[in-house]
Amino acid sequence: EVQLVDSGGGVVQPGGSLRLSCTASGFRFDEYAMHWVRQVPGKGLEWVSLISADGTNIYYADSVKGRFTISRDNSKNSLYLQMDSLRREDSALYYCSRKARGVDNWFDTWGQGTLVTVSS
Amino acid sequence: SYVLTQPPSVSVAPGQTAKISCEGKNIGSTSVHWYQQRPGQAPMLVVYDDSGRPSGIPERFSGSNSGNTATLTISRVEGGDEADYYCQVWGGGLGHPGVYVFGTGTKVTVL
Repeated sequence: EVQLVDSGGGVVQPGGSLRLSCTASGFRFDEYAMHWVRQVPGKGLEWVSLISADGTNIYYADSVKGRFTISRDNSKNSLYLQMDSLRREDSALYYCSRKARGVDNWFDTWGQGTLVTVSS
Repeated sequence: SYVLTQPPSVSVAPGQTAKISCEGKNIGSTSVHWYQQRPGQAPMLVVYDDSGRPSGIPERFSGSNSGNTATLTISRVEGGDEADYYCQVWGGGLGHPGVYVFGTGTKVTVL
C-alpha cells in the first residue's frame, strides 16, 4: 500500500524554526518528485514546495522562498521541510504529497498532515 | 501570480447534478486536476487531466475544460459527496513555471 506519514509539527514562537518529516512506503520513493502543501484550518490549499526525484530541482512558493528549505534522503525514503524565520501566517496543517509520475502534474497521494502553530 | 476562482459553495439535492466551476485566464490551454477533501481528511484526487478518473473514482465524477473555465460535474449526487472540492493546475503551462496553483475551493452541501 502506498503511504505517506507526516510528522514533526508542533508549537513554535515567531522567528523560530521547525523541521517537518514525511516517511514514504509502498513505492519506489527515488522515482517520484515530492511536494509540501499547507492548509490553514478551515481555509484552502496552498502549494509550498516541490523537489524532484533526485533532489536536483527545487521550487518554492513566493510566500516561503528564502525561509523554507525542502530536501530528501532517498536512502531513508524520507522528505523534509526545514522551516526558519517562522511567522504567525505559517501556522497551518502541512501535507506531504507525491507528484504523479513523469510529466503529469497532479498530486496522486497525500499524507495525513502535521500541524504547525506559530504563536508566542 | 496566477489565480483560480471557484464559487464558495454549491448546494444540491440527492440524485441531482452538481457543477463546480474553476475560472482562470486561459485555463483551457493547460490541464486541470480536481481534489475532494472530506472533513478531517487529506485531499484525494478525483479527476486528472481535465476529465480522467483515477482508479476507484465513480463514473459520476467528470470534468471539462475550455476557454477560461474548467468544470467538475458530479452526477446523481450522494450524501458521501459532501465535501470541499479544489481545482489545481501547473503554472508552467500558463507562463508561471515551477509553480502549482490551487483554486479557492468549493464546499458542496447535499441537501
